[in-house]
Amino acid sequence: KAGVTQTPRYLIKTRGQQVTLSCSPISGHRSVSWYQQTPGQGLQFLFEYFSETQRNKGNFPGRFSGRQFSNSRSEMNVSTLELGDSALYLCASSLATNMNTEAFFGQGTRLTVV
Amino acid sequence: GNSVTQMEGPVTLSEEAFLTINCTYTATGYPSLFWYVQYPGEGLQLLLKATKADDKGSNKGFEATYRKETTSFHLEKGSVQVSDSAVYFCALKPGANNLFFGTGTRLTVIP
Repeated sequence: KAGVTQTPRYLIKTRGQQVTLSCSPISGHRSVSWYQQTPGQGLQFLFEYFSETQRNKGNFPGRFSGRQFSNSRSEMNVSTLELGDSALYLCASSLATNMNTEAFFGQGTRLTVV
Repeated sequence: GNSVTQMEGPVTLSEEAFLTINCTYTATGYPSLFWYVQYPGEGLQLLLKATKADDKGSNKGFEATYRKETTSFHLEKGSVQVSDSAVYFCALKPGANNLFFGTGTRLTVIP
């Protein structure tokens, strides 16, 4: 069974540009969550999608957005990139959203903003 | 609110030493608790979990017990190996909600 696939693995963008990251969850998983990992702030929750609906959102500015498609694949978009957006962006998929459900993480997309 | 406080690292141990990484939490209700591990250049892998008080999660020689009275979920391993070198994250999931992570503890095991 294939794991969570994130593309691309590495990305370099310039300040002010926008970027789109992609996540393909494990087959059959309907919940996709996104996290930002930085040395200073650690792992911070961005948002969660379940059956194409955003169910939960972290404390990030509106420049960060996401969506989920009918096949459960998800994308996140960051507009007007800032240097501080440089981070490892991790996607996690799970079967459902209850508290006992395990989240399976992808390898992440390393975004560098210059 | 929900938060996880994790032992600061880095931790350096000799092979076959005993490992403890402390983790305490604050949560609304009764969350599920997790330990994740991150190897260099990789995403997070679930190491073990516990879903209710007094549950013990275990995997690959690692263990952690859900202690409601002390709001703790300390990670232990009796004999570490060089291959255990990684960053370890304690996390909680309160209900149908997102994961809240600790800051991570980097473990280095030297031969």
